[in-house]
Amino acid sequence: GENVEQHPSTLSVQEGDSAVIKCTYSDSASNYFPWYKQELGKGPQLIIDIRSNVGEKKDQRIAVTLNKTAKHFSLHITETQPEDSAVYFCAASPRPTKLSFGAGTTVTVRA
Amino acid sequence: DADVTQTPRNRITKTGKRIMLECSQTKGHDRMYWYRQDPGLGLRLIYYSFDVKDINKGEISDGYSVSRQAQAKFSLSLESAIPNQTALYFCATSDRFWGQAGSEQFFGPGTRLTVL
Repeated sequence: GENVEQHPSTLSVQEGDSAVIKCTYSDSASNYFPWYKQELGKGPQLIIDIRSNVGEKKDQRIAVTLNKTAKHFSLHITETQPEDSAVYFCAASPRPTKLSFGAGTTVTVRA
Repeated sequence: DADVTQTPRNRITKTGKRIMLECSQTKGHDRMYWYRQDPGLGLRLIYYSFDVKDINKGEISDGYSVSRQAQAKFSLSLESAIPNQTALYFCATSDRFWGQAGSEQFFGPGTRLTVL
């Protein structure tokens, strides 16, 4: 089955700096890679996703890159703000009925 | 009002007790899911249902059962709770398969379960 590894497990950044979270996956059939953000006391919420026919996608301050050859994808947050503090999960889908999540990254933005 | 609601939000129970967690949604989605979240392990799928007559096991279904009472309701049961089932449980819904355009999962606020 699909195995998704996520690094780092915790990340502390100064407000205004960038944050990068990296994930690797094992199943070369995976073709859909969403990122979810979980704020304290709430359920995860989709913030961006990318499909295997695209190498990069950007939405305001967040961007995701995908390297299918190396089987890794990354989330980039620029100009971090206090409201970016949360737990972020990557995920990979090798088929329409399967979605595997990474272990999560706790991001803390220091004022 | 929230689109996906879970009850209870917090529950403390004892080993061996039967417990039911309930999920309701007003999004009109056919697909519903139950996940478990543990520190350092992320989200793991317990069961999922693609419509009222469909129930499928996820990666960690042992010790759990589910019931899809209606399109809007999906319940998770622990027949005989044990301490290692202490976790945060999430219900989620979607209206299409993963990978299809717009295949977002909408999560409830979670139920924190403690088994003593």
